[in-house]
Amino acid sequence: GAVVSQHPSWVICKSGTSVKIECRSLDFQATTMFWYRQFPKQSLMLMATSNEGSKATYEQGVEKDKFLINHASLTLSTLTVTSAHPEDSSFYICSARRLGSGRQETQYFGPGTRLLVL
Amino acid sequence: QQPVQSPQAVILREGEDAVINCSSSKALYSVHWYRQKHGEAPVFLMILLKGGEQKGHDKISASFNEKKQQSSLYLTASQLSYSGTYFCGTPGAGGTSYGKLTFGQGTILTVHP
Repeated sequence: GAVVSQHPSWVICKSGTSVKIECRSLDFQATTMFWYRQFPKQSLMLMATSNEGSKATYEQGVEKDKFLINHASLTLSTLTVTSAHPEDSSFYICSARRLGSGRQETQYFGPGTRLLVL
Repeated sequence: QQPVQSPQAVILREGEDAVINCSSSKALYSVHWYRQKHGEAPVFLMILLKGGEQKGHDKISASFNEKKQQSSLYLTASQLSYSGTYFCGTPGAGGTSYGKLTFGQGTILTVHP
């Protein structure tokens, strides 16, 4: 199977600090990873697409200067929430895109990171 | 555009069946199904790539009607472990949307003993 890890799983921080979240594909290479945010009882909202070796592309309404994304290798993408505020508290989930035969491509999700900003 | 799932929630007893529907207002190239348990990340169930395709995994199967722009997930003889929120995801067509999935609002499935 395809395994994606995320670290840390829980973060509690003070308002104004920056938080870095790592997403790793453990047994496959992923040129593309995605970052989602999920609020309680809501669906997954795509924040940005992380591309290895190039700049991330952000969805409308997502501040690229606040949510810094770095895709340094084929197995690692990082999301840094800069100057976090209480409204940034959420469940952040990454996924890694794995290409299969034909048109089959699948996203495998990491276990998620719960961020609580006090 | 976000696909629409129905129903919003289902409550079952063990052994009962359920159907979850996912429909889109735009052309569908494939449909991805995921299940998310409370407090956890979504887990991939299956992908359907072409119209008329049907797939199954254990007692969970799905169909894809490309013309009707919809997919259905069938849960047969439900087990307690089936409880969770089910999401369908539909990919972008191309360009900057390539590879992105837009998820439906989710269907909460609760299975009671």
